[in-house]
Amino acid sequence: DSGVTQTPKHLITATGQRVTLRCSPRSGDLSVYWYQQSLDQGLQFLIQYYNGEERAKGNILERFSAQQFPDLHSELNLSSLELGDSALYFCASSVDGQGGSPLHFGNGTRLTVT
Amino acid sequence: GQNIDQPTEMTATEGAIVQINCTYQTSGFNGLFWYQQHAGEAPTFLSYNVLDGLEEKGRFSSFLSRSKGYSYLLLKELQMKDSASYLCAVRDSNDYKLSFGAGTTVTVRA
Repeated sequence: DSGVTQTPKHLITATGQRVTLRCSPRSGDLSVYWYQQSLDQGLQFLIQYYNGEERAKGNILERFSAQQFPDLHSELNLSSLELGDSALYFCASSVDGQGGSPLHFGNGTRLTVT
Repeated sequence: GQNIDQPTEMTATEGAIVQINCTYQTSGFNGLFWYQQHAGEAPTFLSYNVLDGLEEKGRFSSFLSRSKGYSYLLLKELQMKDSASYLCAVRDSNDYKLSFGAGTTVTVRA
């Protein structure tokens, strides 16, 4: 158990809808990362937060947004969903947002858009 | 940006050794990580290199050459449970992004 909690585990929704994925980092970790992993694809970096502030941004679509709250949990919002958004979404956390502190991954949220 | 390359697949026999190579290009280097990921599961941390040389952790070792933009992960005494995808990830010192390679699927055969 990595200590990172993601909810829900599974989400099935229709095209055009909006969903929110939630992540609670490990106790003591200040940085949260979001990654997307499509079938047979590598982990695609979406966005990183450190202590409530956005630190780094990847190829995150404008339809997607995220935030990290004062209690350090984070939410990833996906809107106007398309079939191609179906993927496994991972949240990870680390002590800090740089250097050698390893990322610890949650078990992911599997999103299916129909 | 970053460009990370690793082989797509490798097959080895139980008890053998396998070496997974990773080459990278980045505008600023701030460390390289190796992760293991079983199908449908979360990646788990294996090793971290920031200075040149070899880091050993039990059956797993990782090597880094910053001047060559090259790393490898060495898996010794392979076991069936080592069948998984192995991901190389590089952190950029300019923006702290941690980018992953596409992963190498290792299949261990009896």
